[in-house]
Amino acid sequence: GQQLNQSPQSMFIQEGEDVSMNCTSSSIFNTWLWYKQDPGEGPVLLIALYKAGELTSNGRLTAQFGITRKDSFLNISASIPSDVGIYFCAGQLASGSRLTFGEGTQLTVNP
Amino acid sequence: SAVISQKPSRDICQRGTSLTIQCQVDSQVTMMFWYRQQPGQSLTLIATANQGSEATYESGFVIDKFPISRPNLTFSTLTVSNMSPEDSSIYLCSVAAGGVDEQYFGPGTRLTVT
Repeated sequence: GQQLNQSPQSMFIQEGEDVSMNCTSSSIFNTWLWYKQDPGEGPVLLIALYKAGELTSNGRLTAQFGITRKDSFLNISASIPSDVGIYFCAGQLASGSRLTFGEGTQLTVNP
Repeated sequence: SAVISQKPSRDICQRGTSLTIQCQVDSQVTMMFWYRQQPGQSLTLIATANQGSEATYESGFVIDKFPISRPNLTFSTLTVSNMSPEDSSIYLCSVAAGGVDEQYFGPGTRLTVT
């Protein structure tokens, strides 16, 4: 089946720093989604990307759909303590098909 | 986005017993999914809950172990049958509204099997 390689697995940063994480795949995806999961909660959708090359922002978050359709990245600018959590990428091969999730990036922000 | 609730939020169960998890959505949705998230791991799709017909299971998951019901467009249940400690996980309900590919998740049910 499809696999998503998400990196890094974990990050430890200082408050105010920028963060970047990415996902790559051997398959071409139709849609890329980025989620954040807080402890004890379900994943919350942050950004959805539908077109190759698309760059979308949500507040301090920016995500891009790679030109090759095989990768995506998420940037967080000026991190704050509430950014702590696990960030997951997810890819979808075709509309209505199952999501494939990356392994997650555990983000820790030191005040 | 849809508001999704799950019951119970957590449970501790004895091995060999079964637990039914409920997922309720505040609006009609076309697609409902059940995922499992083992401790420290990513999300794995168990099955797609189809309204009015049998669920579609992913490789490695079978109906006898994870029977699913979906009687209408706002409600679904997942049963974890004949539980063993390996079934200790978070079980998440997810929905997609018609015509969009974005999936939204419920808060999850944290299951511990002793």
